[in-house]
Amino acid sequence: GQQLNQSPQSMFIQEGEDVSMNCTSSSIFNTWLWYKQDPGEGPVLLIALYKAGELTSNGRLTAQFGITRKDSFLNISASIPSDVGIYFCAVIFLTGTASKLTFGTGTRLQVTL
Amino acid sequence: ETGVTQSPTHLIKTRGQQVTLRCSSQSGHNTVSWYQQALGQGPQFIFQYYREEENGRGNFPPRFSGLQFPNYSSELNVNALELDDSALYLCASSLVTGPSTDTQYFGPGTRLTVL
Repeated sequence: GQQLNQSPQSMFIQEGEDVSMNCTSSSIFNTWLWYKQDPGEGPVLLIALYKAGELTSNGRLTAQFGITRKDSFLNISASIPSDVGIYFCAVIFLTGTASKLTFGTGTRLQVTL
Repeated sequence: ETGVTQSPTHLIKTRGQQVTLRCSSQSGHNTVSWYQQALGQGPQFIFQYYREEENGRGNFPPRFSGLQFPNYSSELNVNALELDDSALYLCASSLVTGPSTDTQYFGPGTRLTVL
């Protein structure tokens, strides 16, 4: 099946630092999504990207839809402790009449003071 | 506007038993998708319900089944539970209008443990 590769797998950073993570695919997709998941909770949508080359911000978060439509990256500026969690990229994959989300492998972010 | 809610929060069952998980979709949404998330992995698509019918399914056996009700809420049923069914089960709702589809919003999940 379709696989999205995220990197890095995990990262430890200090509060105030900027963070960058990316997601790549061997196939082209028309929508890229970034979710954050806290322990024991469901994923929360951070940013949705609908157009190749699109750069979208949500507060300290910025995400870009790669021009090839096979990748996306997420940047977090000036990280704070509440940024801790697992970040997933996801794409919308049409299967028959259903639209399913296929998730990446996740990037675990830990922020130290 | 209310978000996606799921019940119960946690559940413990034994092998061979059956379980029913429930989901109320976000107001204004008409489509519900279910995902299974094993520990340390990303969510995996189980199936999607639209207009009270299953309209897409992932790689899960028939003992995983579901329902959608006229108010767009949904149930996930799993028969003959196996140890590997232990996971966080997530429900996501979205608004589907014709050929386009909106993004999916997730509930907090139900943590199922099979002993």
